[in-house]
Amino acid sequence: DTAVSQTPKYLVTQMGNDKSIKCEQNLGHDTMYWYKQDSKKFLKIMFSYNNKELIINETVPNRFSPKSPDKAHLNLHINSLELGDSAVYFCASSGAAGGLGDTQYFGPGTRLTVL
Amino acid sequence: GQQLNQSPQSMFIQEGEDVSMNCTSSSIFNTWLWYKQEPGEGPVLLIALYKAGELTSNGRLTAQFGITRKDSFLNISASIPSDVGIYFCAGLWADRKLIWGLGTSLAVNP
Repeated sequence: DTAVSQTPKYLVTQMGNDKSIKCEQNLGHDTMYWYKQDSKKFLKIMFSYNNKELIINETVPNRFSPKSPDKAHLNLHINSLELGDSAVYFCASSGAAGGLGDTQYFGPGTRLTVL
Repeated sequence: GQQLNQSPQSMFIQEGEDVSMNCTSSSIFNTWLWYKQEPGEGPVLLIALYKAGELTSNGRLTAQFGITRKDSFLNISASIPSDVGIYFCAGLWADRKLIWGLGTSLAVNP
């Protein structure tokens, strides 16, 4: 029944490592998003994909690379992790544009801690 | 990055009290959304507003889309302990991007 799922829930790693976070949605949505939520709880959009095509790419370091193998999946790969990357990362999805379709449904988040 | 002005930043109230929070923007939005985030979870949509002046309720929650399309408020009546969480407003921007407020953290004392 899970609508938007992310794995892992928690990720603890050393500086300099490369890690990936996976996201899957079973809502049949065509748009998926990655957000970063910092310690002050501000939600910052990072990327958005529509039907596997990148449509939003905010000012994010090149170390962050999203990959969408199909419209139900949007994974986030992070190279050379830094201390400042520690945050909660949320995946979200939305349906066709307009009205309720613009509602974004969020996953449970992945808490990344870089040591 | 862009963000909405949301106030208050935090509230600590007694169970049974009514709560009011609001969001303002210098830009016009065609859609305003209110989300709630509980600890360890992702934000969940509470109310969506699509027309200027629209007043919409969801149980004890009521939200209004300001007539100028630059503001919105959310009211919670007769608060209960499970109302605890962070409430976010968001305005829909171009490319289906949401512009978020900084959140209102609500604590309810039973």
